[in-house]
Amino acid sequence: GENVEQHPSTLSVQEGDSAVIKCTYSDSASNYFPWYKQELGKRPQLIIDIRSNVGEKKDQRIAVTLNKTAKHFSLHITETQPEDSAVYFCAASILTGGGNKLTFGTGTQLKVEL
Amino acid sequence: KAGVTQTPRYLIKTRGQQVTLSCSPISGHRSVSWYQQTPGQGLQFLFEYFSETQRNKGNFPGRFSGRQFSNSRSEMNVSTLELGDSALYLCASSSWRGSQETQYFGPGTRLLVL
Repeated sequence: GENVEQHPSTLSVQEGDSAVIKCTYSDSASNYFPWYKQELGKRPQLIIDIRSNVGEKKDQRIAVTLNKTAKHFSLHITETQPEDSAVYFCAASILTGGGNKLTFGTGTQLKVEL
Repeated sequence: KAGVTQTPRYLIKTRGQQVTLSCSPISGHRSVSWYQQTPGQGLQFLFEYFSETQRNKGNFPGRFSGRQFSNSRSEMNVSTLELGDSALYLCASSSWRGSQETQYFGPGTRLLVL
């Protein structure tokens, strides 16, 4: 089955700096890669996602890049703010219209320091 | 639209007991997936239901089961509880739209097994 590895497990940055979280996946058939943000005690919330037919997607300060050949994808957060502090999860799945079984990475605890 | 809701939010059980958790999806969503979240194992896929049928299944023992009703509400059941079943159980609902199937998570049910 699919296996997703995520690095680093913790990341501390200064406010205003950029943060990068990287994930690799094992199943070349995976074609959907969402990123979720989970604040303490709250539900995971989708912040951005990318399909395998796209190499990069951006939404304001957040961007995701995908390298299908190397089977890795990354989350980039620019101009980090204290409210970006949370645990971030990457995930991978195969979207076929027959279900969406997400395989998650182990999470990255991002801390944005003032 | 109202988001995904889960009941109860917190539950304390003892070993050997069984438990039933409930999930109400976003209106119009026909797919409900269940995930177990623990500090050690992260977010792991349990199963997915679509139109009252289990469509995908993760690698959990048969003590974990689920069902879906005609109104898309879903329940999961854990029988013969073990200490290791203590976790946050999250459900997510989704709908297939134009090759996209985004999963939206509920707040979770935190289960403590004593």
